[in-house]
Amino acid sequence: DTAVSQTPKYLVTQMGNDKSIKCEQNLGHDTMYWYKQDSKKFLKIMFSYNNKELIINETVPNRFSPKSPDKAHLNLHINSLELGDSAVYFCASSQDWVGLHYNEQFFGPGTRLTVL
Amino acid sequence: GQNIDQPTEMTATEGAIVQINCTYQTSGFNGLFWYQQHAGEAPTFLSYNVLDGLEEKGRFSSFLSRSKGYSYLLLKELQMKDSASYLCAVRGNSGYSTLTFGKGTMLLVSP
Repeated sequence: DTAVSQTPKYLVTQMGNDKSIKCEQNLGHDTMYWYKQDSKKFLKIMFSYNNKELIINETVPNRFSPKSPDKAHLNLHINSLELGDSAVYFCASSQDWVGLHYNEQFFGPGTRLTVL
Repeated sequence: GQNIDQPTEMTATEGAIVQINCTYQTSGFNGLFWYQQHAGEAPTFLSYNVLDGLEEKGRFSSFLSRSKGYSYLLLKELQMKDSASYLCAVRGNSGYSTLTFGKGTMLLVSP
């Protein structure tokens, strides 16, 4: 059983296009995240949602628009793709948003986005 | 803000012990995590420290000193499958579970 799944696994597209990445978790968690991992393997938080509500937005360009139709899904839509958007995007989830206990994050397999 | 430093690469031999260090300077601290990431795969959780001291979990142990802003991950009886990137991540005290990751240490285990 897959805990956190993402589609697609690979995405190759032209500059200027609009694309979406989907994420689903079946762990019953309340909180979901999007991370970007660049070519130097630096993993950086982009967004965090708790129970469909945005709680963290780490100064990401507004070309990136997350959407959470329900607490098990967090999708990422990217408009007007740029070369610098090429990276691996990871979705993750945790039990809740509270930073007062263990609250391990579970990561999806990643989506490798290549912008040509 | 948060600044997290860890060595870029390390090499070790199968069966040996290796220690991966992580130092951090943060505006707040509410826990330190270690994740393992094999090439082309997702990060997976290894350990969590919020109080000073050593946490042991099988072949892996993690140590934390909050006063020194320092942690290490100790891997014993190294196996070839331990070749991976090891990510140190700090949780701030904003009340949220958001993690700030270091750039990772690539460990290569040779026969």
